Amino acid sequence: DTEVTQTPKHLVMGMTNKKSLKCEQHMGHRAMYWYKQKAKKPPELMFVYSYEKLSINESVPSRFSPECPNSSLLNLHLHALQPEDSALYLCASSQGVNRYSYEQYFGPGTRLTVT
Amino acid sequence: GQQVMQIPQYQHVQEGEDFTTYCNSSTTLSNIQWYKQRPGGHPVFLIQLVKSGEVKKQKRLTFQFGEAKKNSSLHITATQTTDVGTYFCAVPYNQGGKLIFGQGTELSVKP
Repeated sequence: DTEVTQTPKHLVMGMTNKKSLKCEQHMGHRAMYWYKQKAKKPPELMFVYSYEKLSINESVPSRFSPECPNSSLLNLHLHALQPEDSALYLCASSQGVNRYSYEQYFGPGTRLTVT
Repeated sequence: GQQVMQIPQYQHVQEGEDFTTYCNSSTTLSNIQWYKQRPGGHPVFLIQLVKSGEVKKQKRLTFQFGEAKKNSSLHITATQTTDVGTYFCAVPYNQGGKLIFGQGTELSVKP
C-alpha cells in the first residue's frame, strides 16, 4: 500500500471557525510532512515530523497547529485563519529523513477556502 | 539559502513533439528528485538522481544529472496527452527531510 489519504477533500471555513485536517499512511514511514500549495506555485513546506516528533517548523503562524498522534497519523488544526490561507494543503510521508533525502509520497490534498 | 531555478515556466507542444525542462542550482547538490503533478492532482514522485553524470530512463522520460551535480534535466520524447501536468524538480535543504521545489514547468499537449 503506497497510499497517503487525507480528509476532508474540500473544506470551507469562516475566519472564526476551528477545523482539523487529517492525514494517514500505512507504509511504515517514519517522517510526515505538511505542505501548503497555492495555484500555479510549488508546494511550500510547513512542518516535518520525524519519529512522531516535530523536527521542522517553517515559521508557520500559530493559527496552524500540527499534531502527530502516532506514526501513521498526522493532523493539522486550524483556528482563526485568514482568507490568504486558502490553498491546497498536502500531506506527505517518507521512509525517514536524512541528508540524502527519501522520496516523498503525497496525499491528494485538502482544498481549503477561508471566507 | 538553497535555491533551484527551473525553466521554462510553461511549454506548449503538439502531440508527438519532444519536451525538456531544466533545473539549475548555484551550489553542488547531493541529489535531485523529480515530481509530476497532474491538473487538479498532487505531486507524484518520478525519480531520484544521486550520481554525477547519471542518466536514467523511464519509457519516454530521460532524466540527467550534470557532471558537476549543479543541474538536471527531464526530457520527454514524443509527448502524449497523458504527459500533461506540471513537472517539479526538488532538492534537499540541509538535513531533516526538507525539500526545496523548483517553480515547476507546466506542460500542455495539443492533440
